[in-house]
Order: sequence, then C-alpha cells, then structure tokens
Amino acid sequence: EIVLTQSPATLSLSPGERATLSCGASQSVSSSYLAWYQQKPGLAPRLLIYDASNRATGIPDRFSGSGSGTDFTLIISRLEPEDFAVYYCQQYGNSLITFGQGTRLEIK
Amino acid sequence: QVQLVDSGGGLVKPGGSLTLSCAASGFTFSDYYMSWIRQAPGKGLEWVSYISSSGSNKYYLDSVKGRFTISRDNAKNSLYLQMNSLRAEDTAVYYCARLLLGSGDYWGQGTLVTVSS
Repeated sequence: EIVLTQSPATLSLSPGERATLSCGASQSVSSSYLAWYQQKPGLAPRLLIYDASNRATGIPDRFSGSGSGTDFTLIISRLEPEDFAVYYCQQYGNSLITFGQGTRLEIK
Repeated sequence: QVQLVDSGGGLVKPGGSLTLSCAASGFTFSDYYMSWIRQAPGKGLEWVSYISSSGSNKYYLDSVKGRFTISRDNAKNSLYLQMNSLRAEDTAVYYCARLLLGSGDYWGQGTLVTVSS
C-alpha cells in the first residue's frame, strides 16, 4: 500500500498570497493517478487536479499541480477567500486507492 | 448534468447490517468504475471499495474485506454497498464517487452511518 504524507498539516495565509501544498508518497506513484481535492465543511470533496497536473472541469487556473515519482505539489497562485478549506491528495495504484491525511488551509 | 445521490444511512447497533445506495444520472453509468469513500467525524477521507464498469472486478479496503460487499445494477443506474458486522469504527459519512483515471470526478452528497448501541 502506498502511503501519502501531506505537509504542512495546517497552512495559515492571507488572501492574495501564494499557497504551496506538498504530497509525498512512500513509493513511486504513476503520475497518471495522482489527484488533488478540495473539501469545505459539510460538503463532499471536489476534484481539482487529476493526472498530477490537469485541472478538472471548471477549476480556475490559479490552481496548478506538478510533480512525479514520490513528490507532488499543489499551488494556489493567489488565494481567494473561497479557497480556504482542507485539501487532500489521492493516488491509485496496484488496484488500491489511498488518500493523504489532508492540509488545512486557514486564513491568517 | 452528472448527479449522484447517496441514501440508506442511519443508526445501527454493533454487529448489525445496512445497505447504502447511490443513484446515478446524467451520464452512461455502465461506462464508469464507481467507488465508495468514507469520512469518520472530524477525520480525513478513506477509500472503502470500488467496482469495475461491468461489475466483474471489486476491490476493498483490508479492514472491510469479508464484511462489506459492493455491487451495481447498470440497468437501474445504481451502486450499492452492503455492510455487515458493523463496528463502531465504521461510523462515518459514506460518499459514492464516479472514477475517471483513478480519481473521483463526481461525488454524491454523502450519507451518515452511525454504529452505536
């Protein structure tokens, strides 16, 4: 089983700032199967990025994903008030799906 | 538009059973893998199970193997999760999700399962 570790656990930033979220894998992940989600309280997660770097339908271009192998990054270039939420990375490999523990992005 | 509606959650005693349903619309259900993901109160996301488009292949989280069964009815555009021998640690909101290239591109609203005496 591939374990995903997200850092930091909590990120405190102000609107307009740049956010960098990391996701490390215990073994190499096929970049075709690395995704990022945003979740707000009381709501289902929303897919932001799939295949490590492709934005899902309707996702603003301030969200970008990159990485390969065991290190992946989600960048939010300029934070909007609605971006403060919890973010999860997720991988699919060897017929199993695993999630990272999440990064809480909070308003400073 | 794509819509997934989860139902069937509720309060059940330890050792009891429950069946969750997910009604799909707005896409060709039989073309997609489908999955169940859960979230315990205040915790992160945990994948539970997924099923291939035809229903012939099924995969499970180790802790639910032998207790949970995923199934689908492509004629009814529906996904199911039969949960037996429920434990307190199965308490969570359960979401169904459509899988595309290994990621959940559409999710249901979730249904709460509470296992308590």
